Amino acid sequence: QKEVEQDPGPLSVPEGAIVSLNCTYSNSAFQYFMWYRQYSRKGPELLMYTYSSGNKEDGRFTAQVDKSSKYISLFIRDSQPSDSATYLCAMSLYSGAGSYQLTFGKGTKLSVIP
Amino acid sequence: DTGVSQNPRHKITKRGQNVTFRCDPISEHNRLYWYRQTLGQGPEFLTYFQNEAQLEKSRLLSDRFSAERPKGSFSTLEIQRTEQGDSAMYLCASSLVGIEQFFGPGTRLTVL
Repeated sequence: QKEVEQDPGPLSVPEGAIVSLNCTYSNSAFQYFMWYRQYSRKGPELLMYTYSSGNKEDGRFTAQVDKSSKYISLFIRDSQPSDSATYLCAMSLYSGAGSYQLTFGKGTKLSVIP
Repeated sequence: DTGVSQNPRHKITKRGQNVTFRCDPISEHNRLYWYRQTLGQGPEFLTYFQNEAQLEKSRLLSDRFSAERPKGSFSTLEIQRTEQGDSAMYLCASSLVGIEQFFGPGTRLTVL
């Protein structure tokens, strides 16, 4: 079992729909939970990160973390064709050496159809 | 701020050849990470630098791989005696403090 599990999709939704993406993880030591967006042949771009359980909202994006269930989610409201990309969840814990190395899920490929 | 840059963007090489990639982090970012991403997978951590010191290495980083960050500025990743299994996107990320890592566009390596 991988440390971070994420359904690779693909996921196809109509424009304006609410999108729900999620990941589960097995390492209870993870402290930070992130969502990255990656367009084809580009590097990942950080969307949001949270430190603890609960919700965090930024515009049309809401991230949820449930540490008791080891489950994180990203919701996208009023989805747009420009949201079409691969969404990667990532998790991290602080190492004594100063590193916040990230452990990623496989990514979910999202297509928003006009 | 021009972001993280990586060169070359694409590299095609024959099995057994050596290749070297370069990463220029965001100015003043003292932390630098290398990751590898294969098709259909998320990036996997390879190594971490704080200034010029290489402080963490993944078990994925075999002895054919070596990374440097002279003077704590740009970094290079060299792969010796490339194998077909080395074909991947090699990503560099930099950070100043905390958790936020800014990724470059990556170098796509194809080993024939």
